[in-house]
Amino acid sequence: EPEVTQTPSHQVTQMGQEVILRCVPISNHLYFYWYRQILGQKVEFLVSFYNNEISEKSEIFDDQFSVERPDGSNFTLKIRSTKLEDSAMYFCASSAPSGGAWEQYFGPGTRLTVT
Amino acid sequence: QQQVKQSPQSLIVQKGGISIINCAYENTAFDYFPWYQQFPGKGPALLIAIRPDVSEKKEGRFTISFNKSAKQFSLHIMDSQPGDSATYFCAAAMEYGNKLVFGAGTILRVKS
Repeated sequence: EPEVTQTPSHQVTQMGQEVILRCVPISNHLYFYWYRQILGQKVEFLVSFYNNEISEKSEIFDDQFSVERPDGSNFTLKIRSTKLEDSAMYFCASSAPSGGAWEQYFGPGTRLTVT
Repeated sequence: QQQVKQSPQSLIVQKGGISIINCAYENTAFDYFPWYQQFPGKGPALLIAIRPDVSEKKEGRFTISFNKSAKQFSLHIMDSQPGDSATYFCAAAMEYGNKLVFGAGTILRVKS
C-alpha cells in the first residue's frame, strides 16, 4: 500500500541553524501539507500546497518557514533560523483529487529537537 | 470558530467494552469529519470519516455518529481490544484540499 515517507526520522539542531525536512508524498496525490505536533499537544496545521504554490498557511507559518517541491516526488519544509519553540514532531501529509479524496494520509513524522 | 472540542481527554475501557469519544464544532462550514488513530512515535492514521449528509457510518468495529443540528460527532469502538489502545483525534475540514482542524485528542487504554 502506498505511503507517505519522511526523512530524517529525528533531527537535532542548534538554535539559529537552518533545517530542511523532507517528505515523499503518495505518488498520484496532488495536495500536500505540513503539520506539527508539540509533545503531548494536538496536531496543528502549518501549510498546504497545490499546483506548486501555497494554498493556505497558518499563523505559525511565518517568514522563517518555506516549502518547496523541488522535483516530481519530494516536498520539503525549510526552517531558516530555528528557535527552541520549533521543537516538535513535523508531519507531512498528502491527499488526492478523487472520490472520498479529502482523505489526508500522514507520514511517520520527523522529530525536530532544537537545542 | 475554527476549534474542534474533543472529550474526554483520556478513557479507560475494559476489553470487549464500548469506547465512546465525542467532538463538537462551531463552524457550520465544516463538511468533512475524519477520525485519526495515533500510536506513540507514529503519524496519525486515518481511521474513518463522515460527511454531513449521513448520520452514521460504520466500518468494522468503528462507527461515527453525526448530529448536524447539534454540531457534534462521535466515535464508537465496539468490542474494544487492547490493540486499540492509542490516541484518537477527531478533525474537521471546510472544503476539498483544505486544512484539517484537529481536536485535542483522547488517550484510550483498553484493559485486558
